[in-house]
Amino acid sequence: QKEVEQDPGPLSVPEGAIVSLNCTYSNSAFQYFMWYRQYSRKGPELLMYTYSSGNKEDGRFTAQVDKSSKYISLFIRDSQPSDSATYLCAVPSTGANNLFFGTGTRLTVIP
Amino acid sequence: NAGVTQTPKFQVLKTGQSMTLQCAQDMNHNSMYWYRQDPGMGLRLIYYSASEGTTDKGEVPNGYNVSRLNKREFSLRLESAAPSQTSVYFCASAGTVNYGYTFGSGTRLTVV
Repeated sequence: QKEVEQDPGPLSVPEGAIVSLNCTYSNSAFQYFMWYRQYSRKGPELLMYTYSSGNKEDGRFTAQVDKSSKYISLFIRDSQPSDSATYLCAVPSTGANNLFFGTGTRLTVIP
Repeated sequence: NAGVTQTPKFQVLKTGQSMTLQCAQDMNHNSMYWYRQDPGMGLRLIYYSASEGTTDKGEVPNGYNVSRLNKREFSLRLESAAPSQTSVYFCASAGTVNYGYTFGSGTRLTVV
């Protein structure tokens, strides 16, 4: 079983829609959870990180962690064409030596 | 503030040729990483260096070697390139892994 798994999509939504991106993880000991955004032909950039359970909001983006079901989500409100990218979830290894990444979900926001 | 700089950005190699991918960071991070990214496979860790003077294998180290030259620089070497090594290679660095990495812009490598 992989440390983190992600629905690869692709996902296509109209501008202004609410987007929900999701991952599951395997190890209940994971405490930190991250979302990266990767534009085409660019390197991933850190979008948000959260610690333990609950929600974290940053502008139109909300990261949510449900530790009881080992489920992490990223919500994008009022989606914009500039949000079109691949979104990757990530968790640190138990020893915090490196990150495990989901395979990424490609999102397209149609004007 | 440049962050993580990778060179070259593009490279085409013939099977059996060797090359070194260069990576440098200016954020005084202790940890540095090399990943490859392939369609449908996500980011896979090749090698990492938790601190200057140490290196460790990741998920897919075969066919690669690394050198942590100093705190700033971490290079990846392909001794005898194979078509299976055609990929996009990303270098990353981290001060505290729990707070995430900073990635470079990538090297697109094609082995023919």
